[in-house]
Amino acid sequence: KAGVTQTPRYLIKTRGQQVTLSCSPISGHRSVSWYQQTPGQGLQFLFEYFSETQRNKGNFPGRFSGRQFSNSRSEMNVSTLELGDSALYLCASSVLPGAYQETQYFGPGTRLLVL
Amino acid sequence: GENVEQHPSTLSVQEGDSAVIKCTYSDSASNYFPWYKQELGKGPQLIIDIRSNVGEKKDQRIAVTLNKTAKHFSLHITETQPEDSAVYFCAASPPSGGSYIPTFGRGTSLIVHP
Repeated sequence: KAGVTQTPRYLIKTRGQQVTLSCSPISGHRSVSWYQQTPGQGLQFLFEYFSETQRNKGNFPGRFSGRQFSNSRSEMNVSTLELGDSALYLCASSVLPGAYQETQYFGPGTRLLVL
Repeated sequence: GENVEQHPSTLSVQEGDSAVIKCTYSDSASNYFPWYKQELGKGPQLIIDIRSNVGEKKDQRIAVTLNKTAKHFSLHITETQPEDSAVYFCAASPPSGGSYIPTFGRGTSLIVHP
């Protein structure tokens, strides 16, 4: 079974631009969560989607948004990029939402650099 | 909200030694505590988890203990091997109306010297 895939793996953008990251969950998984990982703040929860609905959102500004499609694939978008948005963005999938405390399987991440 | 402290930030051991990583949490309602291993260039991988109705859980060389009264939980790795070298994260999550918003520790870089 293929694991969680994220595209692109690396991305360089400039301040003020917007970016869209993609995540394909493991086949059969309907829940997708996004996390931001930085040296300064560590691993932080961004949001969780299940059956095309956002179930939870972390403490991030409205510039961070996401969506999930009917095939469970998910995208996250960051608008008006700031230098501080440089980070590794991780996607994790599970069969059911995180509230069921199932194992979440992480993808390799997309490393975003904002110049 | 939940706050998770993780210590130490770096742990260096000789192959065959044991390694212990400790985490404390602030929200007594937290009831799920996963541990992740992250190798260079990869996403975190769940290695073991424990729920608040259990005090200890073991899986081969890895064990986790939970002390709900003191609000701390620990990861124990015995007979360490060079391939155990990685960054380890703990996390805690309180139940909140069916939500699951994990709070992670800052990570421990484990180095196992051959």
